[in-house]
Amino acid sequence: NAGVMQNPRHLVRRRGQEARLRCSPMKGHSHVYWYRQLPEEGLKFMVYLQKENIIDESGMPKERFSAEFPKEGPSILRIQQVVRGDSAAYFCASSPPVASSYNEQFFGPGTRLTVL
Amino acid sequence: GEDVEQSLFLSVREGDSSVINCTYTDSSSTYLYWYKQEPGAGLQLLTYIFSNMDMKQDQRLTVLLNKKDKHLSLRIADTQTGDSAIYFCADSAGGGYNKLIFGAGTRLAVHP
Repeated sequence: NAGVMQNPRHLVRRRGQEARLRCSPMKGHSHVYWYRQLPEEGLKFMVYLQKENIIDESGMPKERFSAEFPKEGPSILRIQQVVRGDSAAYFCASSPPVASSYNEQFFGPGTRLTVL
Repeated sequence: GEDVEQSLFLSVREGDSSVINCTYTDSSSTYLYWYKQEPGAGLQLLTYIFSNMDMKQDQRLTVLLNKKDKHLSLRIADTQTGDSAIYFCADSAGGGYNKLIFGAGTRLAVHP
């Protein structure tokens, strides 16, 4: 059973370009979380999605950032018109529809975005 | 809002015990977690503790929870070079699902 997969692992964009980050949850998982890790900091919650629904986007910047988790295919985190401050590691985590007793989230390896 | 704080660095000698400390502010936490992050990798859940427990032991790992002081610690016995990593304390923010609030991470360096 493959773990959470994220691609690309490394992404370089110039200021003003768009970045698309993909996350394929573990098989059977229908809940996806996105977190951002700035250099030398902990992970910050961005958004929580279930299939076709955004449940909590309280950690998403109001502009330029969007997320989706369609019925088929991976979850996508999209950043439009990237700026240098968007450079970070973006982690996706997934959990099953019926949570374990301790609500474990399974993390992917992350996408490291560098904005030039 | 909720906050989680950790010291940033810890250096120990191989074979000694390591103790990593964490404080949190959310009084309604259900679970608290310790994650390990190795260079260039994602996070791996090491252990967790339910909020009505004071202590949990899992092989070389011991978690202590002081709810009154909102203090969590992770003790690693017989620390090995393979334990060198960043350790994150995380609090579940609740709300019916598991939005995690992470500390900044403690970088553990193990030297011979």
